[in-house]
Amino acid sequence: AQSVTQPDIHITVSEGASLELRCNYSYGATPYLFWYVQSPGQGLQLLLKYFSGDTLVQGIKGFEAEFKRSQSSFNLRKPSVHWSDAAEYFCAVIGRGSTLGRLYFGRGTQLTVWP
Amino acid sequence: DAMVIQNPRYQVTQFGKPVTLSCSQTLNHNVMYWYQQKSSQAPKLLFHYYDKDFNNEADTPDNFQSRRPNTSFCFLDIRSPGLGDAAMYLCATSSGTNEKLFFGSGTQLSVL
Repeated sequence: AQSVTQPDIHITVSEGASLELRCNYSYGATPYLFWYVQSPGQGLQLLLKYFSGDTLVQGIKGFEAEFKRSQSSFNLRKPSVHWSDAAEYFCAVIGRGSTLGRLYFGRGTQLTVWP
Repeated sequence: DAMVIQNPRYQVTQFGKPVTLSCSQTLNHNVMYWYQQKSSQAPKLLFHYYDKDFNNEADTPDNFQSRRPNTSFCFLDIRSPGLGDAAMYLCATSSGTNEKLFFGSGTQLSVL
């Protein structure tokens, strides 16, 4: 069965520090991979996605993620965190050729940023 | 400018009293989705419309229904809300590829 694991429920970092949010997936074949961000009381905004090609993908707001097939991972990184990055981050997958929108989400990682 | 609009922002209903949540879009996307997100959990897909074709997830309770009268609007009807249905309900749209989903800000439903 397909699943998405975000092992860190809550992460706290200082402003200006680097950030890495972990995501591992279990799927029959390499799925499409996404990272979404959700600010309090808001909907989800797409940060970046991986479909194929270069395994290091760049997204909005200075985020990047690296796909590692051997580890079934798609970790999100940012070199220097800003206070406005405090939010909940969701990793998601969808199977290639799958019905649109049937995203499987991880349970999310809540990011707190200290000033 | 908001592209996926959900109303109301907060909805309070009574146990067993039918409630309708609405979603509208200005993107002219042909696919619309409803997700349920309970506190501290991942969003879960309830169903989606591809144009007028309705696609229900296998584990979506019968208590949840949906209507899409035209391209722009989609409604989520909860026939008899239970306490366990209290959640954030997210509407999303896409153009029919796996490229990107556009989410609304959600409706937070409380059941008293």
